[in-house]
Amino acid sequence: GAVVSQHPSRVICKSGTSVKIECRSLDFQATTMFWYRQFPKQSLMLMATSNEGSKATYEQGVEKDKFLINHASLTLSTLTVTSAHPEDSSFYICSAKEIPETVNQPQHFGDGTRLSIL
Amino acid sequence: ILNVEQSPQSLHVQEGDSTNFTCSFPSSNFYALHWYRWETAKSPEALFVMTLNGDEKKKGRISATLNTKEGYSYLYIKGSQPEDSATYLCAFLRTSYDKVIFGPGTSLSVIP
Repeated sequence: GAVVSQHPSRVICKSGTSVKIECRSLDFQATTMFWYRQFPKQSLMLMATSNEGSKATYEQGVEKDKFLINHASLTLSTLTVTSAHPEDSSFYICSAKEIPETVNQPQHFGDGTRLSIL
Repeated sequence: ILNVEQSPQSLHVQEGDSTNFTCSFPSSNFYALHWYRWETAKSPEALFVMTLNGDEKKKGRISATLNTKEGYSYLYIKGSQPEDSATYLCAFLRTSYDKVIFGPGTSLSVIP
């Protein structure tokens, strides 16, 4: 149980392209989903918290207009990297917390998306 | 800025060896600590959620301890197997409404 599907797993595209990454909870509902970014040999860094039916909460230093997050249903959150540039190349991974959310509940992660901007 | 550190960064052990590694976190305002195992090309998988000082959790050959007063948690693997090869992440929560802070992970390679 508690499977999170993230697509695509890898994207290679030209500079200036917008890229959409989907994060779906397959067998549970999630009010809250999280988007992380990981640079080589570094920790998972939280970019934003995605809240179903409301605006996402972005971490300091993360551009809202650059990284658009939509959480339109209890099973789907999307991250769109707009007008991507080479410096946006990174590993992006989502996670979700199952309803009802409790302190003892870990996050369920997708497989991640490797984004490469040429 | 909250720092969560893990050591060592990586280690290589022979099959059958037991091993352990450390997660260090701020000792003030502790709420919970999570351990995850992250195998290559897969998603991170939750191992343990620890909330109380002195907690000891066990799952098969893997166990973890927690010391919130001094700010560390140990993860132990007994009789390592090649399938234990993965990156082990710890994640710290300072309060119930705070964001999770991940450590950089310990990469374990078990040599057959």
